[in-house]
Amino acid sequence: EDKVVQSPLSLVVHEGDTVTLNCSYEVTNFRSLLWYKQEKKAPTFLFMLTSSGIEKKSGRLSSILDKKELFSILNITATQTGDSAVYLCAVEAYSGAGSYQLTFGKGTKLSVIP
Amino acid sequence: GAVVSQHPSRVICKSGTSVKIECRSLDFQATTMFWYRQFPKQSLMLMATSNEGSKATYEQGVEKDKFLINHASLTLSTLTVTSAHPEDSSFYICSARDRQKVAPYEQYFGPGTRLTVT
Repeated sequence: EDKVVQSPLSLVVHEGDTVTLNCSYEVTNFRSLLWYKQEKKAPTFLFMLTSSGIEKKSGRLSSILDKKELFSILNITATQTGDSAVYLCAVEAYSGAGSYQLTFGKGTKLSVIP
Repeated sequence: GAVVSQHPSRVICKSGTSVKIECRSLDFQATTMFWYRQFPKQSLMLMATSNEGSKATYEQGVEKDKFLINHASLTLSTLTVTSAHPEDSSFYICSARDRQKVAPYEQYFGPGTRLTVT
């Protein structure tokens, strides 16, 4: 059974701090790892990672994948209160008959206080 | 582009009744749609995968007779929760994969439907 584990489950930081969120996985037929931000409603896409060692960056957010050690990290620098959300890690894997599925971790709840 | 809508956004129903939730891809065609359920403080759990014109594939532990999925067109999938019970109260989210795209991130999520069964 595919498994995605995120840590920590929750985190409280002050504005301006830098945070690192972790995601480890065990899946068969790995295709990609995705990071999402979930506020009150559905997740919004942040990054997709398929290759080891290549950092993806978007503003203050960055992410990298290690396919040998089976983990990824999401970094947020100079955090702002608007970064408060649940960050979900998901792994996409081939599930047979030409289809792919996402397995989600439980998420890391980030709270940024002023 | 790539908008997925869900209707209704929130529904309250009595125990024993059935509720239908619609998921529409507004500006693209979706050969595959996914239905997820999310309980409070839990992650999204895949319930089923539906392919247009064929039967849905349900995940282990999801009762297909209770959660009826119909994917009748390339832009619409419906989830019907039959004989709903309070334990079915949850946040239901659909996502749709654009048939024109192959990249895995091109799976777009709807805004979700909050179901409360009293």
